[in-house]
Amino acid sequence: SAVISQKPSRDICQRGTSLTIQCQVDSQVTMMFWYRQQPGQSLTLIATANQGSEATYESGFVIDKFPISRPNLTFSTLTVSNMSPEDSSIYLCSVVPPLSSGNTIYFGEGSWLTVV
Amino acid sequence: AQSVAQPEDQVNVAEGNPLTVKCTYSVSGNPYLFWYVQYPNRGLQFLLKYITGDNLVKGSYGFEAEFNKSQTSFHLKKPSALVSDSALYFCAVKISGYSTLTFGKGTMLLVSP
Repeated sequence: SAVISQKPSRDICQRGTSLTIQCQVDSQVTMMFWYRQQPGQSLTLIATANQGSEATYESGFVIDKFPISRPNLTFSTLTVSNMSPEDSSIYLCSVVPPLSSGNTIYFGEGSWLTVV
Repeated sequence: AQSVAQPEDQVNVAEGNPLTVKCTYSVSGNPYLFWYVQYPNRGLQFLLKYITGDNLVKGSYGFEAEFNKSQTSFHLKKPSALVSDSALYFCAVKISGYSTLTFGKGTMLLVSP
């Protein structure tokens, strides 16, 4: 597996502001994903952020709203821009560690955002 | 397209009794199947997976799951439930090592003392 650290763990944000979530991994990983979990819902993939290429966004998610950086193999950021209450969610960073059987995905503890 | 169905929003079981959390899937091809658990106010933890081989897979905390290709199911089981097993359980599927993971809606497991 891998140790995945996310910051912030929780935050309360004002609508119209932006927040950047950081994800730090204890090993070099090629495949990294950002998920959103809205209250009482399942996980939805926002984007795939592989190092060395632009992030690939899923349907319904756009770069202007969720810009992602992936400067190296152990770090990524997700920004939630111009937040509204509908963006209140858990945002989860996930990775495929080296030598992971079946490319099993492991998750961080999540960043719990509340927009007021 | 791939999809996962978890037909039960909630499963209630008494401590010490066996538990089953149901999952069925739909993929075009051979599935990679996963179970994750989310404890209150925590992220997702990997429990177990089926990639190939033995249909019965064992995972963390005494959980196991059985892959049934004919029924396209991957039910999570445990012979004796603990109160500490109370959590939200997610089944997930993908069609290859490099495809994206699709999650079910989750099943809340409540184990009563």
